[in-house]
Amino acid sequence: EPEVTQTPSHQVTQMGQEVILRCVPISNHLYFYWYRQILGQKVEFLVSFYNNEISEKSEIFDDQFSVERPDGSNFTLKIRSTKLEDSAMYFCASSELTGDQPQHFGDGTRLSIL
Amino acid sequence: GIQVEQSPPDLILQEGANSTLRCNFSDSVNNLQWFHQNPWGQLINLFYIPSGTKQNGRLSATTVATERYSLLYISSSQTTDSGVYFCAVGFAGSQGNLIFGKGTKLSVKP
Repeated sequence: EPEVTQTPSHQVTQMGQEVILRCVPISNHLYFYWYRQILGQKVEFLVSFYNNEISEKSEIFDDQFSVERPDGSNFTLKIRSTKLEDSAMYFCASSELTGDQPQHFGDGTRLSIL
Repeated sequence: GIQVEQSPPDLILQEGANSTLRCNFSDSVNNLQWFHQNPWGQLINLFYIPSGTKQNGRLSATTVATERYSLLYISSSQTTDSGVYFCAVGFAGSQGNLIFGKGTKLSVKP
């Protein structure tokens, strides 16, 4: 069964540094998402992406965040200047269509900011 | 506002027992998914169930969209069922983003 893959599985970064999290969505999917889960809390929506542009974003997704689909397979989340509070598990998801289609999640990238 | 509420927040079971987890949501939905988060943090998709009933082995789920709730049933629980169970809802009229509940933390004792 096709799956969403995320790299790296764990990223340790100094505060203030830029970090790029990578995702390869399922190949025939058109909608891509990033979610975040701070340790011990619920999963929160960050951003959705379709047709090479952001469809929707949450209040969390401020100017330090950006997303990109640099080629036909990768989908990236960039955090420009990391803060301690950015430490979290970041999940990528994709769906064939939006709305009434299931989202398939990757295994996550655990980001630790020192 | 839009809300997803799960109950109970914590549940301790003896191995072999059955349990029911509940998810209430505040508005019409076009997507509802149940996930199990394992100790490694992975979100394992259990069911895509915006309406109706589905079964997969010892697990089953029912969503009554008109009454705005979903139930996840776990029968003959095993220690490997331990973890956090999340309900995630895509509300009608949204761009597809899922709103997660706070989860039910299940501990199954041998």
